Amino acid sequence: DSGVTQTPKHLITATGQRVTLRCSPRSGDLSVYWYQQSLDQGLQFLIQYYNGEERAKGNILERFSAQQFPDLHSELNLSSLELGDSALYFCASSTRLENEQFFGPGTRLTVL
Amino acid sequence: GNSVTQMEGPVTLSEEAFLTINCTYTATGYPSLFWYVQYPGEGLQLLLKATKADDKGSNKGFEATYRKETTSFHLEKGSVQVSDSAVYFCALSPPDTGRRALTFGSGTRLQVQP
Repeated sequence: DSGVTQTPKHLITATGQRVTLRCSPRSGDLSVYWYQQSLDQGLQFLIQYYNGEERAKGNILERFSAQQFPDLHSELNLSSLELGDSALYFCASSTRLENEQFFGPGTRLTVL
Repeated sequence: GNSVTQMEGPVTLSEEAFLTINCTYTATGYPSLFWYVQYPGEGLQLLLKATKADDKGSNKGFEATYRKETTSFHLEKGSVQVSDSAVYFCALSPPDTGRRALTFGSGTRLQVQP
């Protein structure tokens, strides 16, 4: 158990819908990262937050957004969903000084 | 930009065989290098890491050495077990302490047969 929690574990929805994925980092970790794992794109970095502020952006679509709240949990919002958004979405956390990240179990999103 | 290249899988071995999974990288400066493992139906677990040239990371019988001259970080294990069957990802993070997003390789599936 990495100490990073993600909910829900599974999510099935329809095209055009909007969903929210939630992540709680390890106790004391200020950085949260979101990654997408899909069969065709592999593991890709989406976005990073540090202590409530956006720190870095990767290959995140404009239809996707995220935020980190004062209690440090983070949410990833995916809107106008398309079939191609079906993937595993991982959250990871780290301290400021550590360079390794600890991953949650992921949320499997299926868009029908 | 940064990139990681891993050998294509699947790699199929018999129990107690020697394992090598090749990983090479492209990056500016001195990135940190990692191997993560993903067991079926689970998230990624950090297997080992190295933060500077010639460092050797090791864990659970797995080893990898940071080779700056060949920009490589090959994963090795002397004797694999059925329980090692999983997907292995090589990854790097840049030296900037504020922005450590990981760049992953495509993953290598290892299947160990009894």
